[in-house]
Amino acid sequence: DAGVIQSPRHEVTEMGQEVTLRCKPISGHNSLFWYRQTMMRGLELLIYFNNNVPIDDSGMPEDRFSAKMPNASFSTLKIQPSEPRDSAVYFCASRRRTDMGSQHFGDGTRLSIL
Amino acid sequence: QKEVEQDPGPLSVPEGAIVSLNCTYSNSAFQYFMWYRQYSRKGPELLMYTYSSGNKEDGRFTAQVDKSSKYISLFIRDSQPSDSATYLCAMTPGGNEKLTFGTGTRLTIIP
Repeated sequence: DAGVIQSPRHEVTEMGQEVTLRCKPISGHNSLFWYRQTMMRGLELLIYFNNNVPIDDSGMPEDRFSAKMPNASFSTLKIQPSEPRDSAVYFCASRRRTDMGSQHFGDGTRLSIL
Repeated sequence: QKEVEQDPGPLSVPEGAIVSLNCTYSNSAFQYFMWYRQYSRKGPELLMYTYSSGNKEDGRFTAQVDKSSKYISLFIRDSQPSDSATYLCAMTPGGNEKLTFGTGTRLTIIP
């Protein structure tokens, strides 16, 4: 089975530009999570979806961040406008709701905002 | 104070040694406890999963949970260079809810 697929793997862009990160969860998984990882703050949950519906977006830092899940096989995380402090590794994870606690992570998108 | 505290290390031990990794937490509602391993430039992968208090063993790995002390541990026996990674603890009140992660401990096994 293919794992969680994220794209792009790396993104370098200038401050103020729009950034779109993409995620394809594992087929059959019905929960999807977006995380941000930095050295200072570790792994932080931004938002998660159950059955394509956003359940908890309390971790989204600002209105500049938005996430969508238009169907069971695709999700996006958008930052507009981007700022240098958004530089981090962004992970997507998915889980079958019956798999207690077990989340499967993609390999992340390394984002640098200049 | 963070809900989950984890010493970031780094921790370096010689090959073959026993490694002890730990986390403390403050939320008494946490019932499910996990350890994830993260290699450089990769996403975290689930290593061990424990419900409530007690021990769980899987090969060279043992996870311990002491809810009375709000303290969890991961032991690695006969450590190998391939165990070099960052280890993150994670926990949740219920299995279907979001996870709260520690910041991770960076471990290096020296051949």
